[in-house]
This record gives sequence, structure tokens and C-alpha cells, in this order.
Amino acid sequence: DVKVTQSSRYLVKRTGEKVFLECVQDMDHENMFWYRQDPGLGLRLIYFSYDVKMKEKGDIPEGYSVSREKKERFSLILESASTNQTSMYLCASRLTSGLLYEQFFGPGTRLTVL
Amino acid sequence: AQTVTQSQPEMSVQEAETVTLSCTYDTSESNYYLFWYKQPPSRQMILVIRQEAYKQQNATENRFSVNFQKAAKSFSLKISDSQLGDTAMYFCASTTTSGSRLTFGEGTQLTVNP
Repeated sequence: DVKVTQSSRYLVKRTGEKVFLECVQDMDHENMFWYRQDPGLGLRLIYFSYDVKMKEKGDIPEGYSVSREKKERFSLILESASTNQTSMYLCASRLTSGLLYEQFFGPGTRLTVL
Repeated sequence: AQTVTQSQPEMSVQEAETVTLSCTYDTSESNYYLFWYKQPPSRQMILVIRQEAYKQQNATENRFSVNFQKAAKSFSLKISDSQLGDTAMYFCASTTTSGSRLTFGEGTQLTVNP
């Protein structure tokens, strides 16, 4: 089974702090994604990476950056956390082709910025 | 750009009955894939069913089936013999073959009542 893990289930940070959210997948997937989930808005793509050291902006990249130094790990960075970044963050991964483009998701990190 | 719309924020159904969740989408792509994902209270997103747009036949997975109306750009999910474990947030999503991005709808919270 594909496994996608995220470093924390719950995280509480203060405004202005630098926040790292880590995601690791164990299936040698090329593509990895970070989404933000808010009530009534569904999931919105923040950034994705189609290979190591490659990244592309999603729909809402402002205030976020990412890092992918190894194939299995994709990090989301909030350079200076703000209260409007309080949300659920979901990581996902998939093969470049096959499996009808199914994405496999981690359990999510609920981030609260005070 | 693709858009996905779920117009039912909440639905409820009695155990053992049938329920249909609605989804409409818009795309300029000629080929694309459609998905229904389930997110139970545990927050783990799970793929329920998928449909390739070029296939006429509606996809079926056990108690879950879709009604795919390509001309109307409609992709509804039917759950038969509803079970308590079906209580979850359901997301409709689409992706194209030319890219790896999933576009999600707003979600429908389904509650199955005993």
C-alpha cells in the first residue's frame, strides 16, 4: 500500500514564526502536492513538484514556499506565519503516469496560527 | 482552466437507503478524468471511484456508482445501501491528461443516520 505521512497531525504556532510542514511518501512517486483545505472552499493547490528540485506554483502560492531535495520528501514552508494561514494542510503524491492519475493523500496537518 | 462545483453542502440519508451526490464541472480539455474522494472524520482522503471521460460506460465500485453525463458536464455519485461508515465529506475532482493537477469541488458532507 502507498503510504503518505505528514510530520504532525496538529500544530499551533505564533504569528511571525517560520513553520515547516513535512511530507514523506514511500512509493517512489515523482509528483507531490500541497493543498490547503478550508470549509466551503474544498481543496486548493498551493504548490506541486513533478520531480526532485522541481516545483510549480498552484492556485494560492502567496505566503508559502516549498522544498524537494529528495524524491520521497516534500516540505511546505510558511516563512512568516499569519492568522489567515490557519487551516488544514494535505499532502499528496502520485506516479507521473498510470493509475488513472490517482493521488494518494496523507492524513493532514491542522495548523493553528495564534 | 477547470472548475468543479458541488451545490449540496450537506446531505443526510437513512441507513440502507440510496443517496445521490451532485457534481458539475467545466473544462475545455478533450480528455480528462473525474474522481470522487471520501474524507471520513479520520481525515484520511480515500479514492472512491474514477471515470475516464472518453469511456461511455459509467464506473461502478461495489455500492458506489456514477452517472456521467458528458454533454451536460455532470458527474454524480450514487451510494446504494448506505452504511454508517459512509458518513464523510465527499469531494468531486477532475484532472486532465495534459497535467497532473486535480481541481476539487467544495465538498458535500454526507451523514448516514441509523
